[in-house]
Amino acid sequence: EAGVVQSPRYKIIEKKQPVAFWCNPISGHNTLYWYRQNLGQGPELLIRYENEEAVDDSQLPKDRFSAERLKGVDSTLKIQPAELGDSAVYLCASSFTGANTEAFFGQGTRLTVV
Amino acid sequence: KNEVEQSPQNLTAQEGEFITINCSYSVGISALHWLQQHPGGGIVSLFMLSSGKKKHGRLIATINIQEKHSSLHITASHPRDSAVYICAVRFNTDKLIFGTGTRLQVFP
Repeated sequence: EAGVVQSPRYKIIEKKQPVAFWCNPISGHNTLYWYRQNLGQGPELLIRYENEEAVDDSQLPKDRFSAERLKGVDSTLKIQPAELGDSAVYLCASSFTGANTEAFFGQGTRLTVV
Repeated sequence: KNEVEQSPQNLTAQEGEFITINCSYSVGISALHWLQQHPGGGIVSLFMLSSGKKKHGRLIATINIQEKHSSLHITASHPRDSAVYICAVRFNTDKLIFGTGTRLQVFP
């Protein structure tokens, strides 16, 4: 079975342009996470979904970032407009719901804003 | 204060050396993950543990719940082990919080 699939792998855009990332989690995983990882740092949670509900979006910069998981499966993360400081790797992860469940990670999307 | 702290931040070793990476966390957790991230690559889960010790090949992970501490050991290190190793903890709220990672370089 395929793991967590993200696309695109790389994206270069000019500042003020919009950008969207897509994530297809492992089949059956209720929980989906979006993380942002700046160079040399650990991933930081942006948003966590339980099925189609965003249960933790406290770290999502809502003025420019939005996310959706309409049918509780695939998810998209959008930035509009992008800023230079948004350059990072955006990681998607999924897991079954529960405290002792293992999370699986996608390859990430490396965003460069120029 | 970060909820999850790793040490060291950077680590260099000669091939064959025994390596230890440490992770400390601040409050009770339900599970701890050790993850590996290669440059330009995604994250691979190495271990998930909530007590005791796990071993996979040359990798060993231990956790001490009372001391809120975990270690990842690599025996007989090899240049292909060069990567960033990240500790991530799942708190009782089901939230997964990451450490800043340990960058390991193993030289031949």
